[in-house]
Amino acid sequence: QAVVTQEPSLTVSPGGAVTLTCASSTGAVTSGHYPYWFQQKPGQAPRTLIYDTNNKHSWTPARFSGSLLGGRAALTLSGALPEDEADYYCLISYGVTWVFGGGTKLTVL
Amino acid sequence: VQVVETGGGLIQPGGSLRLSCAASGFIVSSNCMTWVRQAQGKGLEWVSLIYGDRSTYYADSVKGRFTISRDNSKSTVYLQMNNLRTADTAVYYCLPCGANSVWGQGILVTVSS
Repeated sequence: QAVVTQEPSLTVSPGGAVTLTCASSTGAVTSGHYPYWFQQKPGQAPRTLIYDTNNKHSWTPARFSGSLLGGRAALTLSGALPEDEADYYCLISYGVTWVFGGGTKLTVL
Repeated sequence: VQVVETGGGLIQPGGSLRLSCAASGFIVSSNCMTWVRQAQGKGLEWVSLIYGDRSTYYADSVKGRFTISRDNSKSTVYLQMNNLRTADTAVYYCLPCGANSVWGQGILVTVSS
């Protein structure tokens, strides 16, 4: 089974920018993997920020964007706010199986 | 767009439960739907998936024990869970795919004697 790898933890300064990445053990992540990005804060259900690589929901703050970068799915946060401190998970579709990354704990400090 | 999960609870190992996911605001029959779970203090784990053509897929950890299905007339997706194990203890979420990917509040399943 494929393994999806994320940075375990990252730190960003308030107002700063950071990119979280999502790598697949099977090779390059492409748009055909329909990568998702989810945000989860303590005690809350996750919420979807990005679907199908770079599509945003109506509730997705403009400071978040999704892309493909160097064979990985990427979530970029530009202009970090304290409220962005959370766990972030990516999800990759392999058609007959979907696999979550282990999550990135983002600290805004 | 909304999903509401029900049907969780406390069950003994080896027992069965059926989770329901009532969807509104989109057409379940034409949308792929997934079940995801999260054990306490752990990450998210993909469990199962049903596509619009009713093809179904499962994580290796639940294959042969869990069955996903859909009732289009009720806009509801189900997860029948049999031969439950303590390792199945988690909050279960129903997640539509793509543009309808909203999360419900989840439902707790506790497998314990």
